[in-house]
Amino acid sequence: QVQLVESGGGVVQPGGSPRLSCAVSGFTLSRYGMQWVRQAPGKGLEWVAFIEYDGQKVYYADSVKGRFTISRDNSRNTLYLQMKSLREEDTAVYFCARSRREFESGTYLDYWGQGVLITVSS
Amino acid sequence: QSVLTQPPSVSGAPGQRVTISCTGSRSNIGADYEVHWYQHFPGTAPKLLINHNNNRPSGVPDRFSGSKSGTSASLAITGLQTDDEADYYCQSFDNRLSAVVFGGGTKLTVL
Repeated sequence: QVQLVESGGGVVQPGGSPRLSCAVSGFTLSRYGMQWVRQAPGKGLEWVAFIEYDGQKVYYADSVKGRFTISRDNSRNTLYLQMKSLREEDTAVYFCARSRREFESGTYLDYWGQGVLITVSS
Repeated sequence: QSVLTQPPSVSGAPGQRVTISCTGSRSNIGADYEVHWYQHFPGTAPKLLINHNNNRPSGVPDRFSGSKSGTSASLAITGLQTDDEADYYCQSFDNRLSAVVFGGGTKLTVL
């Protein structure tokens, strides 16, 4: 069955640069776009980033543009989110999710991981 | 605040019907982008509940249904069960922001 498992979470100092990973199984990663979505404590879901199936196109929320980089290694069945210049407001559970449809056609997310917590604190 | 507006909470008794609204604008729902709904139990993976405005993925009970009209959409849940207590989110695409957008989420309480 489809599985997505995030890793790389923990406590990070402001300005830190952790990298999140999302290992997928149960489907062929190279056939799907992928996304990251986050949820700050007590808040709702916030879209973070999208990457096309082949990595050629990427899109970011304004709140993370220039600081976060989404990438993928289809041969390793893994999605990544490189974060840098972290701020306290980046504290959240980060979910990876499989995408359906192309980004500008109105993409949505059909399978999600359980999420990984990043806490930005000194 | 969120681009899509949802009520923070709704409640109903077991067996009753509730609806959750999702209000957008001309750059998202009103631009004919589809609305999708997710069910989220805190601490778990969110689950796709409704896609393409009103389609139920395999395994989703027919107690859940979606609709869309103009710049708004709704999720209806009939025959409420205690297991339905969760957070519900609508999602669409916004062409002005060039971004995936979510509603702020609605906490469903089954009294």
